[in-house]
Amino acid sequence: TQLLEQSPQFLSIQEGENLTVYCNSSSVFSSLQWYRQEPGEGPVLLVTVVTGGEVKKLKRLTFQFGDARKDSSLHITAAQPGDTGLYLCADAGLVQGNLIFGKGTKLSVKP
Amino acid sequence: NAGVTQTPKFQVLKTGQSMTLQCAQDMNHEYMSWYRQDPGMGLRLIHYSVGAGITDQGEVPNGYNVSRSTTEDFPLRLLSAAPSQTSVYFCASSRSGGPAFFGQGTRLTVV
Repeated sequence: TQLLEQSPQFLSIQEGENLTVYCNSSSVFSSLQWYRQEPGEGPVLLVTVVTGGEVKKLKRLTFQFGDARKDSSLHITAAQPGDTGLYLCADAGLVQGNLIFGKGTKLSVKP
Repeated sequence: NAGVTQTPKFQVLKTGQSMTLQCAQDMNHEYMSWYRQDPGMGLRLIHYSVGAGITDQGEVPNGYNVSRSTTEDFPLRLLSAAPSQTSVYFCASSRSGGPAFFGQGTRLTVV
């Protein structure tokens, strides 16, 4: 059974700071998805990465996929209170509709 | 375009009662899934469907039944609720190779 470990579990920072969160898998990802979940809402997809070494940018968010496709990082530059939420990584797996999630990093950005 | 709609948003059940959590999507997605989210456990897959008439078990299927008679609807049934089923339940849908879209969740308390 594939296990996804995310770190840190919790992160509390001030507005304007930079941060990085990590996702590591016990086996090679089929494809890696990053989601953000705000309180009381369902997760919303941020990005999908498929190719080892891939880097994707979404405004102030930079996603990196490891060369061996077993790890990934999400870097946020100049964090804002609107970035507050639970960041989840997931493997789309071999079977569509069957996402395997990590436990998430809970980010709090204070004004 | 409503996306994925879950009802009810909140529910309190007594131990042993039965109920159905409703999920409907209007995006003509072939894949639908149910997850439960517990503190510190992330999202865990309960059941999923790759098309009308086809369902399969996920990581934590015990105590839950599903059926998929139409593309649009994927209800989750609790036949005899137990306190261990207290959780937040999310329904998701996707198409082949595409991102998962989640509903807003159902918060279920079993007393």
